[in-house]
Amino acid sequence: EIVLTQSPGTLSLSPGERATLSCRASQSVSSRYLAWYQQKLGQTPRLLMYGASSRATGIPDRFSGSGSGTNFTLTIHRLEPEDFAVYYCQQYVSSPRTFGQGTKVEIK
Amino acid sequence: QVQLQQWGAGLLKPSETLSLTCAVYGGSFSGYYWSWIRQPPGKGLEWIGEINHSGSTNYNPSLKSRVTILVDTSMNQFSLKLSSVTAADTAVYYCARVYSDYTSDWYLAYWGQGTRVTVSS
Repeated sequence: EIVLTQSPGTLSLSPGERATLSCRASQSVSSRYLAWYQQKLGQTPRLLMYGASSRATGIPDRFSGSGSGTNFTLTIHRLEPEDFAVYYCQQYVSSPRTFGQGTKVEIK
Repeated sequence: QVQLQQWGAGLLKPSETLSLTCAVYGGSFSGYYWSWIRQPPGKGLEWIGEINHSGSTNYNPSLKSRVTILVDTSMNQFSLKLSSVTAADTAVYYCARVYSDYTSDWYLAYWGQGTRVTVSS
């Protein structure tokens, strides 16, 4: 089973600042099989990124993803009020298709 | 437009079997894996398992002994059964669809609205 470790657990930032979220895998998932999801309080998770760096439909370009192998990053370049949420990475190269434990981006 | 609508019992007693169903509206039923994910209160997401249109399944080893995922292609539905539930199975359960099995794009592109399941005596 591939274990995903996200850091930090919580990120306290102000609107307009840049958020950098990390996801590390216990073994390689290449750059093809890593996704990011956003979950706002009380809502269903929403796909943000797939293939590590491709934005899902309707996701604004202030979101970007990078990485390959075992190290991945989600960057939110200028935080908007609606971006404060919990973000999860997921690998889908193998079963079980595990999630990281999440990073909460909160308003400072 | 793909929509997933799920339902099932929201309150169970310990040792009972959780049963949820997810109906798929819009799009084909074949060519995808259909998944279940859960989220305990205040915690993160846990992948439970998946099934494709021909009935091929993958399960999370941590739940495999208690989980059954079935598909009914005639009704465009798939279901989750989790036996011998305990309080630790209290969670919001989501159904979801991967983007495409044909292209190995197994990320979760479409989600159901979630069903809150509480296990309590």
